[in-house]
Amino acid sequence: NAGVTQTPKFQVLKTGQSMTLQCAQDMNHNSMYWYRQDPGMGLRLIYYSASEGTTDKGEVPNGYNVSRLNKREFSLRLESAAPSQTSVYFCASSEVRRTNEKLFFGSGTQLSVL
Amino acid sequence: AQRVTQPEKLLSVFKGAPVELKCNYSYSGSPELFWYVQYSRQRLQLLLRHISRESIKGFTADLNKGETSFHLKKPFAQEEDSAMYYCALRGGGSNYKLTFGKGTLLTVNP
Repeated sequence: NAGVTQTPKFQVLKTGQSMTLQCAQDMNHNSMYWYRQDPGMGLRLIYYSASEGTTDKGEVPNGYNVSRLNKREFSLRLESAAPSQTSVYFCASSEVRRTNEKLFFGSGTQLSVL
Repeated sequence: AQRVTQPEKLLSVFKGAPVELKCNYSYSGSPELFWYVQYSRQRLQLLLRHISRESIKGFTADLNKGETSFHLKKPFAQEEDSAMYYCALRGGGSNYKLTFGKGTLLTVNP
């Protein structure tokens, strides 16, 4: 049981380049999330998808787009990368039909934008 | 708006000493509160949630609605407790957003 799988694990981009971070979960969860983790800032929500077909902005959505391709997959796209987007990105999923349900996290993508 | 405050970025204690990681929240309704932990080179994972009123790895946390706090406590810290700890809040109901605090890095010295 893989849980939440993110690809790639590491990526280096030049300013202005684009890329898509992929995330898939095999737990049949309805909700999926993208967070970024920065030193001293904790985890900040970029976008989330409460269920297939819906997406909503989190705290720091600027510069990103997302696609909930199907129930399993939720991708994060940087159209024109900027150095401020250097961060560790985490995808997560949960089943929130039950209250107090926990999030399952992927192993993260370390992104550097030069 | 929902907000989580962890006032300590770093906390250092000696093995066997008590430890308390502070968490305060701001939310107008009835929140769901969690502690997540990230050990070195491991995925972020749930440590405990307030609804369960459980003790995990010797840690407990009590929701104090009057003080809007959810502090994490352990009476005798172990070296393997060294990790980054995040307090998190979900608003409940149809609110799917989980908001994290900035985290506290706990170091337990031998």
